[in-house]
Amino acid sequence: ETGVTQTPRHLVMGMTNKKSLKCEQHLGHNAMYWYKQSAKKPLELMFVYNFKEQTENNSVPSRFSPECPNSSHLFLHLHTLQPEDSALYLCASSQGVGRPEQYFGPGTRLTVT
Amino acid sequence: AQSVTQPDIHITVSEGASLELRCNYSYGATPYLFWYVQSPGQGLQLLLKYFSGDTLVQGIKGFEAEFKRSQSSFNLRKPSVHWSDAAEYFCAVGAQEDRGSTLGRLYFGRGTQLTVWP
Repeated sequence: ETGVTQTPRHLVMGMTNKKSLKCEQHLGHNAMYWYKQSAKKPLELMFVYNFKEQTENNSVPSRFSPECPNSSHLFLHLHTLQPEDSALYLCASSQGVGRPEQYFGPGTRLTVT
Repeated sequence: AQSVTQPDIHITVSEGASLELRCNYSYGATPYLFWYVQSPGQGLQLLLKYFSGDTLVQGIKGFEAEFKRSQSSFNLRKPSVHWSDAAEYFCAVGAQEDRGSTLGRLYFGRGTQLTVWP
């Protein structure tokens, strides 16, 4: 399944570093999503983009900065993270209205040291 | 408020046994319903979906699910489990109507971890 790709697959960063996660979808979808998945916690929706416009930001700290340059690409810029930000970050895409099923990438396993 | 409940955190079954994973939802609209599966360290894979029509839907890997509106349930079933089915399973619900800011949003349950004994 290569409809949604994410890079890197694993990332270790210090609290003072700046890094970016990349997501690309090859499905022709209009909506893209960032989720955070931590151990023992429910899946958390972070950001939603429809047609490149951000339509949802679920009170995510400003140390996470999303960017959606076009409908196929989504980035998550990270800076001055905390150890509690260590998690699996999942990207997903969907067609939107009438076709809400989301297709997920394999995720980026982030460890903040 | 929208919510999805998966009452079983962890289920263990023997290989070849039947399986039923429970899902109940609360949603103030006609729902779309989904089941996803996640293997360790991987993303979520769509198993099946319900939009309308026949309340028994077939999915990949031999899974099926039945929508029961009166019980607000969408339980996942498989008649004979294989060792490769061991994974975490997530139920999700979404809106059929355009609700503005909730457009396209899915609400996920907390997941059920399935262990399969040989």
